[in-house]
Amino acid sequence: DAGVTQSPTHLIKTRGQQVTLRCSPKSGHDTVSWYQQALGQGPQFIFQYYEEEERQRGNFPDRFSGHQFPNYSSELNVNALLLGDSALYLCASSLRQVANYGYTFGSGTRLTVV
Amino acid sequence: AQSVSQHNHHVILSEAASLELGCNYSYGGTVNLFWYVQYPGQHLQLLLKYFSGDPLVKGIKGFEAEFIKSKFSFNLRKPSVQWSDTAEYFCAVNARAASGSARQLTFGSGTQLTVLP
Repeated sequence: DAGVTQSPTHLIKTRGQQVTLRCSPKSGHDTVSWYQQALGQGPQFIFQYYEEEERQRGNFPDRFSGHQFPNYSSELNVNALLLGDSALYLCASSLRQVANYGYTFGSGTRLTVV
Repeated sequence: AQSVSQHNHHVILSEAASLELGCNYSYGGTVNLFWYVQYPGQHLQLLLKYFSGDPLVKGIKGFEAEFIKSKFSFNLRKPSVQWSDTAEYFCAVNARAASGSARQLTFGSGTQLTVLP
């Protein structure tokens, strides 16, 4: 059990569509980060949410947006999907004030854009 | 900006062989270092981490890693691998945050380890 829950596990979308991915952090964690893992690559940081605000952002276009809710859960939204957005999307949670202790990752959502 | 290099993309070993996976990072400041493992179909799991102190850190499942600051390296080792160690291994780094805030992780591209029975 990863402790971090992501849904759905798999998703197929058509180019140009919009998608929403969801994440529930590990109990007691208040910070959620999203990563994109393309096939054969390491995860790449998209953004991080804490106290319902985006705190850090990686090198991803504005088509990628997110939200954090008062219960610390989070959503990742991707608009105008491109074929290149096909990847495994990982959510990671942590406790902000002890963030140096690392993150707990979910099993991911496999997004396929056709 | 940080970067992480894992030079071995695919390593094949027989059971009981010794393992060393290379990891080098580039960053001008103080960092925290991590090794994660991803078994087929499973989530990323933390193997071990280094923040400060003894540069030789021990993790789960018999893995250890040594931080060599002068070489910007954090190589993963295991004296005797098992078939069950077959997985993808990722080295990661994040900048040490004075305020304690959660800094983003930068990952290497991963090393696929295949252990033959």
